[in-house]
Amino acid sequence: QVQLQESGPGLVKPSETLSLTCTVSGGSISPYYWSWIRQPPGKGLEWIGYIYYRGSANYNPSLKSRVTISLDTPRNQFSLKVSSVTAADTAVYYCARDLVTTTTQFFDYWGQGTLVTVSS
Amino acid sequence: QSALTQPASVSGSPGQSITISCTGTSTDVGSYNLVSWYQQHPGKAPKLLIYEVSKRPSGVSNRFSGSKSGNTASLTISGLQAEDEADYYCCSYASTRRVFGGGTKLTVL
Repeated sequence: QVQLQESGPGLVKPSETLSLTCTVSGGSISPYYWSWIRQPPGKGLEWIGYIYYRGSANYNPSLKSRVTISLDTPRNQFSLKVSSVTAADTAVYYCARDLVTTTTQFFDYWGQGTLVTVSS
Repeated sequence: QSALTQPASVSGSPGQSITISCTGTSTDVGSYNLVSWYQQHPGKAPKLLIYEVSKRPSGVSNRFSGSKSGNTASLTISGLQAEDEADYYCCSYASTRRVFGGGTKLTVL
């Protein structure tokens, strides 16, 4: 059974960079897509971006200038960085497996989520 | 990118059926039969309910069904049960993007 676990600081100062890691267990990073999704308190889900196991990434246009997703295949991990954060980046951050084939796409496995608060 | 449009809330009594709509555009919902639906209970991660508009993963009750017409997808829950009370989100594939709906809170009266 595939499991995902987010890790990283729960508190980040305004203007600094938010960094999170997702560790995948029970399965391999290959040959899948892996996404980050966030949810501000009391609000809906927002897709941040994905990375393909070969290393290519795509991002939500509204966040693209501040977001980087990277891969560490030997460690079965992928990571998220969001720069120049503000209070609006306060959210529960989820990592998820983004199952994509020529005929399908959906998020089938999710991490439990981690709350990141942006505050001085 | 704009979120897909869902009603903020719906409600129904046990045993009844409800439908949640999810309206997008010709660049997302209208272009692909790749709409998925997720159920989220408070404090929990979302759970996949429906994929490819109308398919159910193993283990999901057949009380949940999905459909699509044009730029609008729909989730129907029949035989409402107390445990169905949750937030529901649609999501559409849009090539190199994924677009979520704003979410719908289902209250079981």
